[in-house]
Amino acid sequence: AQSVAQPEDQVNVAEGNPLTVKCTYSVSGNPYLFWYVQYPNRGLQFLLKYITGDNLVKGSYGFEAEFNKSQTSFHLKKPSALVSDSALYFCAVRDRGDNFNKFYFGSGTKLNVKP
Amino acid sequence: GAGVSQSPSNKVTEKGKDVELRCDPISGHTALYWYRQSLGQGLEFLIYFQGNSAPDKSGLPSDRFSAERTGGSVSTLTIQRTQQEDSAVYLCASSLGQIQETQYFGPGTRLLVL
Repeated sequence: AQSVAQPEDQVNVAEGNPLTVKCTYSVSGNPYLFWYVQYPNRGLQFLLKYITGDNLVKGSYGFEAEFNKSQTSFHLKKPSALVSDSALYFCAVRDRGDNFNKFYFGSGTKLNVKP
Repeated sequence: GAGVSQSPSNKVTEKGKDVELRCDPISGHTALYWYRQSLGQGLEFLIYFQGNSAPDKSGLPSDRFSAERTGGSVSTLTIQRTQQEDSAVYLCASSLGQIQETQYFGPGTRLLVL
């Protein structure tokens, strides 16, 4: 079955330290990959996406993610975390093939950045 | 410009009643999506429209759920005979037509079924 996994419900990191939010997927072929962020009491916002080309994608607010085809992963990273990065992060995947009508989201990872 | 709007922002209804949720996409966006976000859980994909047609309705949780889109713009999600387990935030998103395009989300409708 097609799916997206975010293995960590919560990630805690100190301000200034690097952060990683993990995402793995199980979708046939080469999917489109996305990261979205949901701040408290606010809607979902787009962070970045992988379509094709360079495996390292840079997005909003200093975030980046690396597409690893062999590991079917698309981990979100930031070199130096800010307290304002604390939010709920969702990985999402869309099939390029016959199942393109569906869009799969992970269960979300809550990022807590402490001063 | 204006983003995706949804109405109502909150809806409280009694079990067994029908509810209708509305989504106004960004002007010019041909693709429209509905999701459900239950408390403390991720997003559950419900349905996708390209123009007025929804090629795949298998994401709808039951036959009590239906969605339509007319004029390639506004969409309504209807839940008949609501149940308490339908309580959730219903999110709508829109995008340009290509499947790799970024989705822009509305603020959601918070539905509570008593």
